[in-house]
Amino acid sequence: KNEVEQSPQNLTAQEGEFITINCSYSVGISALHWLQQHPGGGIVSLFMLSSGKKKHGRLIATINIQEKHSSLHITASHPRDSAVYICAVGSGNTGKLIFGQGTTLQVKP
Amino acid sequence: DGGITQSPKYLFRKEGQNVTLSCEQNLNHDAMYWYRQDPGQGLRLIYYSQIVNDFQKGDIAEGYSVSREKKESFPLTVTSAQKNPTAFYLCARSIFGEQYFGPGTRLTVT
Repeated sequence: KNEVEQSPQNLTAQEGEFITINCSYSVGISALHWLQQHPGGGIVSLFMLSSGKKKHGRLIATINIQEKHSSLHITASHPRDSAVYICAVGSGNTGKLIFGQGTTLQVKP
Repeated sequence: DGGITQSPKYLFRKEGQNVTLSCEQNLNHDAMYWYRQDPGQGLRLIYYSQIVNDFQKGDIAEGYSVSREKKESFPLTVTSAQKNPTAFYLCARSIFGEQYFGPGTRLTVT
């Protein structure tokens, strides 16, 4: 069993829909990261959080430390949101991350 | 580019040849990482370095080597001992726990 599990693996939505991607982990963490990877391969960091909730534009990330679970929400989805969304957890002070397998999101116009 | 440059974007090599992937950062950060990505799998850590002249093996270091002679540079050599070298390779830097990724190098070995 992977230490970081994401669901769903693939997600297709219509433009405007509210989207939720889930991440569960089984290890102790110092922080949880949500990353976005576009088809060209480059990865950008969306959020780093260790408790509660963060919001940036149409993106919201939440984490429940007791349940070892995080969610990434996208409100009013748009085709440009189509990408792979990756959950990763860090523990200790080395900066090393353990990655989930990613969720491939396609938003259709 | 997250303050990290990787070159080249695409690299082709014949089996049995060593190849070195470049990773340079211009933000004077200490920690740097190399990851490998295969289709359908999460990123896996190859090597990381927290200070100059020191580096640690990650989860899949076999067949790879690195050096950290300068703070700004962390090159990765894929040796002929790596059984399945064809993959997408990402370099990252880190500060205060946040990781910033380079654009990646797609290596194809035939």
